[in-house]
Amino acid sequence: DAGITQSPRHKVTETGTPVTLRCHQTENHRYMYWYRQDPGHGLRLIHYSYGVKDTDKGEVSDGYSVSRSKTEDFLLTLESATSSQTSVYFCAIKPTSGKQGEQFFGPGTRLTVL
Amino acid sequence: GDSVTQMEGPVTLSEEAFLTINCTYTATGYPSLFWYVQYPGEGLQLLLKATKADDKGSNKGFEATYRKETTSFHLEKGSVQVSDSAVYFCALPLSGAGSYQLTFGKGTKLSVIP
Repeated sequence: DAGITQSPRHKVTETGTPVTLRCHQTENHRYMYWYRQDPGHGLRLIHYSYGVKDTDKGEVSDGYSVSRSKTEDFLLTLESATSSQTSVYFCAIKPTSGKQGEQFFGPGTRLTVL
Repeated sequence: GDSVTQMEGPVTLSEEAFLTINCTYTATGYPSLFWYVQYPGEGLQLLLKATKADDKGSNKGFEATYRKETTSFHLEKGSVQVSDSAVYFCALPLSGAGSYQLTFGKGTKLSVIP
């Protein structure tokens, strides 16, 4: 499972509050990704990182920011949560030895914004 | 742009029935193609892949053949089990993306009843 953990696993918060989700990996993989999963939309990429302090936007980045100060941690922040950000969030890594398209996923964080 | 379209679900089958989940793609060139599976409460995991036209990917009794002429990569299994109940995603790498990004279909939920 590439040693990927996500925290918290569940969170309920209120509209307007800041929220930070953490993705931690233990194997020093360079590429990390944040996705959201919603019914009828599948998985959509929010942001990704290709190294420490190197990040870029994905398909649905509005309202989200990320940071990667260490290889092992990739943080996703909702500066001011909205109900439309209620979703299940997945972190993924591309294994260093993996071919294009091969990603390993964390267990997910279920976020509810009231 | 690059995209995948897969059949809408949900799909409900009896144990030992034959399964087909359709996937078609639009892409530049001939990318690798992937099927990912998500079991209840878990993150996605790679099920199988094919790297070139006419390749057949297989794993856990599932198969998919890369058909260039029909731009398809349909997932099949001859005899499903209750343990195959999951959501299945077709995916392909975004062309020209040095970040190894994937784009996913919307997912097809399979329920297998005894």
